[in-house]
Amino acid sequence: EDQVTQSPEALRLQEGESSSLNCSYTVSGLRGLFWYRQDPGKGPEFLFTLYSAGEEKEKERLKATLTKKESFLHITAPKPEDSATYLCAVLPPNRDDKIIFGKGTRLHILP
Amino acid sequence: NAGVTQTPKFQVLKTGQSMTLQCAQDMNHEYMSWYRQDPGMGLRLIHYSVGAGITDQGEVPNGYNVSRSTTEDFPLRLLSAAPSQTSVYFCASSLTQGALYFGPGTRLTVT
Repeated sequence: EDQVTQSPEALRLQEGESSSLNCSYTVSGLRGLFWYRQDPGKGPEFLFTLYSAGEEKEKERLKATLTKKESFLHITAPKPEDSATYLCAVLPPNRDDKIIFGKGTRLHILP
Repeated sequence: NAGVTQTPKFQVLKTGQSMTLQCAQDMNHEYMSWYRQDPGMGLRLIHYSVGAGITDQGEVPNGYNVSRSTTEDFPLRLLSAAPSQTSVYFCASSLTQGALYFGPGTRLTVT
């Protein structure tokens, strides 16, 4: 069964302390990998799409990278407003397959 | 553009009652879907539609119905509410089954 696993489940960092969130997947030949940010009480907000190993995308303090088996969301010098749950999702290769979401990493940045 | 809108934001139902959660998008997206989000379970796909007049089941369809008469609207009907349907419901849309754009969610409590 195709799976998406995110780690750690929760992460507390000091403001300015860089770190990375991991998303590992067992899907072969995925059509895309997606990162979302979800604030409490709100719907997930789309951040990035990655399509192939080696690809990188950046937005402000966030950079997403992709290998054949995992993706990382690197957070550089985070600020308290970066606190949120970050969700990873993959789209398997077959046309009838649906997006598979991970359970997310809860990130808390302390001022 | 309003993006994806959902109504109501909050709802309390008694067991056995029925109701419809509304979802609309103004981005001319063909693909629309409904998810539920429960603690520890992540996002689970209930039903989806690849265009007007076409719907299909997702991972957890029991107890829910959908229809898609227009590109813009994708209502979710709870036929006979049960406490197990207490959850946060998100509607999402996309051009294809790729990067999803989520609505703000409906918090449903069934007593």
